[in-house]
Amino acid sequence: QVQLEQSGSELKKPGASVKVSCKASGYSFSDYGVNWVRQAPGQGPEWMGWINTKTGNPTYVQGFTGRIVFSLDTSVSTAYLQISSLKAEDTAVYYCARGGRTFESSGGNFAWFDSWGQGTLVTVSS
Amino acid sequence: DIVMTQSPDSLAVSLGERATINCKSSQSVLYDSNKKNYFAWYQQKPGQPPNLLIYWASTRESGVPDRFSGSGSGTDFTLTISSLQAEDVAVYYCQQYYSNPHTFGQGTKLEIK
Repeated sequence: QVQLEQSGSELKKPGASVKVSCKASGYSFSDYGVNWVRQAPGQGPEWMGWINTKTGNPTYVQGFTGRIVFSLDTSVSTAYLQISSLKAEDTAVYYCARGGRTFESSGGNFAWFDSWGQGTLVTVSS
Repeated sequence: DIVMTQSPDSLAVSLGERATINCKSSQSVLYDSNKKNYFAWYQQKPGQPPNLLIYWASTRESGVPDRFSGSGSGTDFTLTISSLQAEDVAVYYCQQYYSNPHTFGQGTKLEIK
């Protein structure tokens, strides 16, 4: 079955960087986009953007541009989220989620999220 | 950005009774060319990721019990649980995927009365 397995919790100091991994299994990795979603404590989900796993082209939400990077290693069916210059307000659970099919006209951008990773808690504290 | 507003913020319903959650988008999420509403519902239990219930506003995801149903079009949508079960206690979120950025509602917390 479809599974997204994320890396473990991280504790970082302000100003540091973090890289979260999301390993996919149970389907052809390049056939579906990967989305990244942030959920701060007690808050609703917030979409950060997505990456087209066929072309490698990322799309970032405006508020995150410049501090986040989505990347891929298709050889191991894994997507990555890197966040730099961490601030206390970046403390949250970060999820990867499978999106739409990359062979569709939108490249998989405009679709629901049918499978989610278990989440990675990133805590930023001095 | 499209703003998604859910009502109510919290809801207490007796076991076996109907639960109704509403979501309103600040602009239409109905795509004219294919007449599809780019709208989904998710259920989130504590310590778990969101779980997809409904997409295209009314299509139930595989494995989701048929007591869950979605309706609505354009800007106004409803999630109905026909007969509340104890395992349905959760926070429910709506989402639009019509345009970037995809946006979620603030959530509705569903409890047992």
